[in-house]
Amino acid sequence: GENVEQHPSTLSVQEGDSAVIKCTYSDSASNYFPWYKQELGKGPQLIIDIRSNVGEKKDQRIAVTLNKTAKHFSLHITETQPEDSAVYFCAATRGGSYIPTFGRGTSLIVHP
Amino acid sequence: DTGVSQNPRHKITKRGQNVTFRCDPISEHNRLYWYRQTLGQGPEFLTYFQNEAQLEKSRLLSDRFSAERPKGSFSTLEIQRTEQGDSAMYLCASSPGPTSGRGYEQFFGPGTRLTVL
Repeated sequence: GENVEQHPSTLSVQEGDSAVIKCTYSDSASNYFPWYKQELGKGPQLIIDIRSNVGEKKDQRIAVTLNKTAKHFSLHITETQPEDSAVYFCAATRGGSYIPTFGRGTSLIVHP
Repeated sequence: DTGVSQNPRHKITKRGQNVTFRCDPISEHNRLYWYRQTLGQGPEFLTYFQNEAQLEKSRLLSDRFSAERPKGSFSTLEIQRTEQGDSAMYLCASSPGPTSGRGYEQFFGPGTRLTVL
């Protein structure tokens, strides 16, 4: 089955800095890669996703890149703000499966 | 509020008791998923429905767990003879389904936190 590794487990930055979270996946048939943000006491919220036919996608301060050959994808957050503090999860979904495999999460702390 | 809702938000029970959780998906979504999340982990898939049909179950879903979606709308997840190892957050998600063009996108509810004493 699919295996998703996520690093780092904790990331501490100063407000205004950039943050990068990296994930690798094992199943070359995976073709959909969502990123979720989970705040304390809440369910995960989809913040951005990318499909395997695209190398990069951007939405305001967040962007995701995908390297299919190396089987890794990354989340980039620029100009971080304290409200970006949360746990971020990457996931990979095999084509036709619709069931994502999640990484273990990255706790992002943005210091004002 | 048109998001996914789950009830109760918290449940404390004693080992050996049965518990039932409810999930109400986004109304136009025909797929509904259940996940379990423990501290420091990502959500782990348990089972999913397309309309009222249960299409797939994870090996994590022991015979003490049962899920239903009788009318293709809300769903219930029941755990019989609870064990301390069942303590976790149980998350529900819904998605528009494969014909929508957005079938991979899942929208999560706030979860039900189960504590088994």
